[in-house]
Amino acid sequence: GIQVEQSPPDLILQEGANSTLRCNFSDSVNNLQWFHQNPWGQLINLFYIPSGTKQNGRLSATTVATERYSLLYISSSQTTDSGVYFCAVVGGGADGLTFGKGTHLIIQP
Amino acid sequence: DAGVTQSPTHLIKTRGQHVTLRCSPISGHKSVSWYQQVLGQGPQFIFQYYEKEERGRGNFPDRFSARQFPNYSSELNVNALLLGDSALYLCASSWTGGSYEQYFGPGTRLTVT
Repeated sequence: GIQVEQSPPDLILQEGANSTLRCNFSDSVNNLQWFHQNPWGQLINLFYIPSGTKQNGRLSATTVATERYSLLYISSSQTTDSGVYFCAVVGGGADGLTFGKGTHLIIQP
Repeated sequence: DAGVTQSPTHLIKTRGQHVTLRCSPISGHKSVSWYQQVLGQGPQFIFQYYEKEERGRGNFPDRFSARQFPNYSSELNVNALLLGDSALYLCASSWTGGSYEQYFGPGTRLTVT
């Protein structure tokens, strides 16, 4: 099946810093989503972005489908941005989302 | 509009027992998917249903089964529970499944003792 790799696995930043999270995938995809999982386990949709670039406030994402990667940018980080960020794709003949292992982001005040 | 709802929120069961988890999708969505998330890992796909038919299945044993009802709500059943089934079970709703955006419920946290 399709493989999804996220980097870095852990990231510790000071409030106000910018960050870039990366997601590599091993096959063509029909769907790519970025999620933020809060401490209670709720997965919050950030972007649905199988290709192209989108922005939502301090967050933006870019997917280059031909090169099989996606990037999530967080600018001017706030402590509330802390949590685990997941990239998930539908591809490789599967019907459900295949998730990466996530990036654990800690924003320190 | 209400989002995806799941019940119960938490559940404690004993090894060998059976459990049923429930999910109601977003109004207008016809597809429901189930995922298992063990501590420290990303969610893993279990099943996807669309219009009451199983559309896809992940790599889970036959102890796991599911169904979708005419109102598009869904149940996940797990028989002969093992300690390793302890996890957060997430339900996702989408318009038709497949490549459409999926929206997740708050999850059911299952502990098997």
